[in-house]
Amino acid sequence: EAGVAQSPRYKIIEKRQSVAFWCNPISGHATLYWYQQILGQGPKLLIQFQNNGVVDDSQLPKDRFSAERLKGVDSTLKIQPAKLEDSAVYLCASSLVRAGNTIYFGEGSWLTVV
Amino acid sequence: GQQVMQIPQYQHVQEGEDFTTYCNSSTTLSNIQWYKQRPGGHPVFLIQLVKSGEVKKQKRLTFQFGEAKKNSSLHITATQTTDVGTYFCAGKGAQKLVFGQGTRLTINP
Repeated sequence: EAGVAQSPRYKIIEKRQSVAFWCNPISGHATLYWYQQILGQGPKLLIQFQNNGVVDDSQLPKDRFSAERLKGVDSTLKIQPAKLEDSAVYLCASSLVRAGNTIYFGEGSWLTVV
Repeated sequence: GQQVMQIPQYQHVQEGEDFTTYCNSSTTLSNIQWYKQRPGGHPVFLIQLVKSGEVKKQKRLTFQFGEAKKNSSLHITATQTTDVGTYFCAGKGAQKLVFGQGTRLTINP
């Protein structure tokens, strides 16, 4: 079974520039998550989709971050404009609606803002 | 809001020693999950506990869920160098899954 796919793996941008990350979840997984993991911390949920609807985006900085999952499959997370404090790993994850919400993570997109 | 705290933040042991990390939630949980993240890697699911007082074992790993469903622990017996990494608990409250800050385990061979 293929895992959660993410791209790009690494990105370095200057502050105030924009960046976009792409995620393709495990086939059949209706729930998709974007997490932000700052070095030395646990993953923090940015947004959760159920199919193509948003379930939770309470911790998404909406003035600069946006995410979409138009067809209920793959998803894009955008940051514009980026700040230095956005340097982190952006983890996409997916889960079945049932099965206890076990979350399967992708390898992450490492962002450095300089 | 719901908070999940883990202690200790760091733990360094000699290979063969035991290791325990503790997880405490500010609210009662419906379930708790444990993940392992190797250096440079992504979190990988280890186990889920659902029932009050539940104990589960995976080889040298023992997971416990407290009677009040607000705390949990992970115990590793006789650590090996392959156990190196950061162990996260994640507690599911009313709606969302909240991760602790993790316990980073390093091992002296």
